[in-house]
Amino acid sequence: DAGVIQSPRHEVTEMGQEVTLRCKPISGHNSLFWYRQTMMRGLELLIYFNNNVPIDDSGMPEDRFSAKMPNASFSTLKIQPSEPRDSAVYFCASSFGWGSPAYEQYFGPGTRLTVT
Amino acid sequence: QQQVKQSPQSLIVQKGGISIINCAYENTAFDYFPWYQQFPGKGPALLIAIRPDVSEKKEGRFTISFNKSAKQFSLHIMDSQPGDSATYFCAPRTGGATNKLIFGTGTLLAVQP
Repeated sequence: DAGVIQSPRHEVTEMGQEVTLRCKPISGHNSLFWYRQTMMRGLELLIYFNNNVPIDDSGMPEDRFSAKMPNASFSTLKIQPSEPRDSAVYFCASSFGWGSPAYEQYFGPGTRLTVT
Repeated sequence: QQQVKQSPQSLIVQKGGISIINCAYENTAFDYFPWYQQFPGKGPALLIAIRPDVSEKKEGRFTISFNKSAKQFSLHIMDSQPGDSATYFCAPRTGGATNKLIFGTGTLLAVQP
């Protein structure tokens, strides 16, 4: 398996621009997570989906952030408009087994976002 | 409460030594206690995990010790190697019908040759 795939790997954009991050989870996994990692705040869960349905978006910082999962093999995280404080590494992770004892989350390589 | 406190923030160990990282939590509803390992430029990856009905789990050089009454669990790395140099996160799982992990602040481990 190719693992969790994220694109782009690096994104540099100017303040005010729209940014779209993409994720392809591992085939067969039914839970998908978006995380943000910064030096100041560590690793934060932004939102997670189960069976393509958003379950908990309490970590989404504000209305500028939105996430979608139109099907089991694709998800997007959009920031509009972007701000310098959004600069971070964004990770997507997937897991199999809602409520199962096997809770391992598999992380993608991340997207490093820089907003100037 | 969801708070997870991890210590130390950083750790330097000589090759062959023992690395110990601790995690304290407050939420008694946590039902799964993993440690994740992250190398620079990579995403975190599950290293080892324990369920609360077990006090210790060992996988190779890595051991989790779990103290339910003290609400603490720790990671021990025996015979530490330079290849173990990475950031380690405890990430207990919230209980119930969810798979949400609450990540600690991370411990940067450097194993000197």
